[in-house]
Amino acid sequence: EPEVTQTPSHQVTQMGQEVILRCVPISNHLYFYWYRQILGQKVEFLVSFYNNEISEKSEIFDDQFSVERPDGSNFTLKIRSTKLEDSAMYFCASSSGSYQHFGDGTRLSIL
Amino acid sequence: QKEVEQNSGPLSVPEGAIASLNCTYSDRGSQSFFWYRQYSGKSPELIMFIYSNGDKEDGRFTAQLNKASQYVSLLIRDSQPSDSATYLCAVNPETSGSRLTFGEGTQLTVNP
Repeated sequence: EPEVTQTPSHQVTQMGQEVILRCVPISNHLYFYWYRQILGQKVEFLVSFYNNEISEKSEIFDDQFSVERPDGSNFTLKIRSTKLEDSAMYFCASSSGSYQHFGDGTRLSIL
Repeated sequence: QKEVEQNSGPLSVPEGAIASLNCTYSDRGSQSFFWYRQYSGKSPELIMFIYSNGDKEDGRFTAQLNKASQYVSLLIRDSQPSDSATYLCAVNPETSGSRLTFGEGTQLTVNP
């Protein structure tokens, strides 16, 4: 069964640094998403992406965040000037329009 | 009021019993409803989705939707220890493409 692939599985970064989280969605999917889950909390929507542009974003997704689809397969989330509170599990998901398939996630630890 | 609210856990049932998980949502215009299972430290995994009022069965799992009451539930029959996980209710305001809003999850433990 096709999978959403995320790299790296764990990223440790100093506060103030920039990080890029990478995702390869399922190949025939058109909708892409990023969610985050702070330890012990619920899964929260960050942003959705369709037709090469952001279709929806949450209040969490401020100027610190950006997304890109640099080529036909990758979908990235960039976090600039990371803060301690950015420590969380970040999930990429993709969809053909029905349900969303989630990747295994990237655990981001900000020191 | 929380957008998606799930019955507080943890929920503990004996092996072979029926586990009942409940969820209410605040957006009356919501169109599609999902149950995901999340093992500790892992990503959400889709169990069931339902769009129409009534019941939908898939093996040991039954999802029930009542849009008038803004209520969705998941029944797990013949619960197994491997069903022990956190169950996440998620709601989508449109039929395709838009965000999922998740509840906080209900932790289920199935005791052998």
